Amino acid sequence: AQTVTQSQPEMSVQEAETVTLSCTYDTSESDYYLFWYKQPPSRQMILVIRQEAYKQQNATENRFSVNFQKAAKSFSLKISDSQLGDAAMYFCAYRKIQGAQKLVFGQGTRLTINP
Amino acid sequence: DAGVTQSPTHLIKTRGQHVTLRCSPISGHKSVSWYQQVLGQGPQFIFQYYEKEERGRGNFPDRFSARQFPNYSSELNVNALLLGDSALYLCASSPELGANTEAFFGQGTRLTVV
Repeated sequence: AQTVTQSQPEMSVQEAETVTLSCTYDTSESDYYLFWYKQPPSRQMILVIRQEAYKQQNATENRFSVNFQKAAKSFSLKISDSQLGDAAMYFCAYRKIQGAQKLVFGQGTRLTINP
Repeated sequence: DAGVTQSPTHLIKTRGQHVTLRCSPISGHKSVSWYQQVLGQGPQFIFQYYEKEERGRGNFPDRFSARQFPNYSSELNVNALLLGDSALYLCASSPELGANTEAFFGQGTRLTVV
């Protein structure tokens, strides 16, 4: 079974600084998807960024980028120029290519932005 | 366009009771998935439905069941509620079943069992 581990329950960063959230996963599949979701107090899960395992190039979305290390099964999220609106729970998630669209989530990291 | 809508937003039930949670997907989306998020943890997959058929089931007891209607809306039913069923229940919809599709989440239903 696939597992996703986020070893940082909480992180904090000064506004405008850069922060990196860590995620490791375990799978025997060679092709899969990895995601970072943001969950603000409104509770709605919002997709931040997605990475296809067969793509070597790291995904980027504006201030958000990932460091995908397939051999190490590591998938970290870097947030540059942190803003107050980035404060939320962040979840790393894995999904197989085949079969049900089942997302396997990590335990989450609570990110606090200090003004 | 409206996003994924879930109802009710909050409810309180007593142990042993039954509950029905509802989800309306984004217009045109044919797939609906349900997740349980216990406080302080990540969401756990319960079910996926596509075109009214069950396409995936997580590791949950038979007290949990779901169905999808012809208009693609969905219900999650939980029988014989336990205190441990207290959680945020999230619904996600996708346009198709394919791997290269994004899941869009609703704001969830907060269930408290007392």
